[in-house]
Amino acid sequence: GQQVMQIPQYQHVQEGEDFTTYCNSSTTLSNIQWYKQRPGGHPVFLIQLVKSGEVKKQKRLTFQFGEAKKNSSLHITATQTTDVGTYFCEVDNQGGKLIFGQGTELSVKP
Amino acid sequence: KAGVTQTPRYLIKTRGQQVTLSCSPISGHRSVSWYQQTPGQGLQFLFEYFSETQRNKGNFPGRFSGRQFSNSRSEMNVSTLELGDSALYLCASSLRSGRNYGYTFGSGTRLTVV
Repeated sequence: GQQVMQIPQYQHVQEGEDFTTYCNSSTTLSNIQWYKQRPGGHPVFLIQLVKSGEVKKQKRLTFQFGEAKKNSSLHITATQTTDVGTYFCEVDNQGGKLIFGQGTELSVKP
Repeated sequence: KAGVTQTPRYLIKTRGQQVTLSCSPISGHRSVSWYQQTPGQGLQFLFEYFSETQRNKGNFPGRFSGRQFSNSRSEMNVSTLELGDSALYLCASSLRSGRNYGYTFGSGTRLTVV
């Protein structure tokens, strides 16, 4: 069956450093969604990527979909303490099944 | 405008019982999705409803079911509860079916099965 691997599982950074989380699939994806969940909170939808090689930016966040549509990344430039939380990818394979990555927990030291 | 409302917030049930959770989407939103979140399995998609029809379904046993009413409110039901069903159950609503419209999550219902 479909495998979705999200790495790393944890990332501890100093405030101001960059952060990247990766989502890798064993099969070609129709699209991918990214979410952020603050500690004790609920997931917040960030963005959807659909096209091969697509790059989207939201302020300090850059989202990229791989050319083969099998992987994606979320990059945060110059992290702030408000970026703390767990970042999840959700993939929609071409069979219509929705699967979440295990998430990357980001902690930011001021 | 009001966000996604889930009731109840907390629930304790005994193994073997059944439970019904409710989700009221943002006004005007017609798509409702349900998710289960546990420390061990993470976030897992349960099902999505749009215009009272189930559009998508995750890999959960038939004990998990849902429905959507004409006012877009949705309920999910879990029958014959097992200890492993203890989880945070989240619902999310969107204008239409399909992730490109963006989903807004509720605060969830925390279910504990004893």
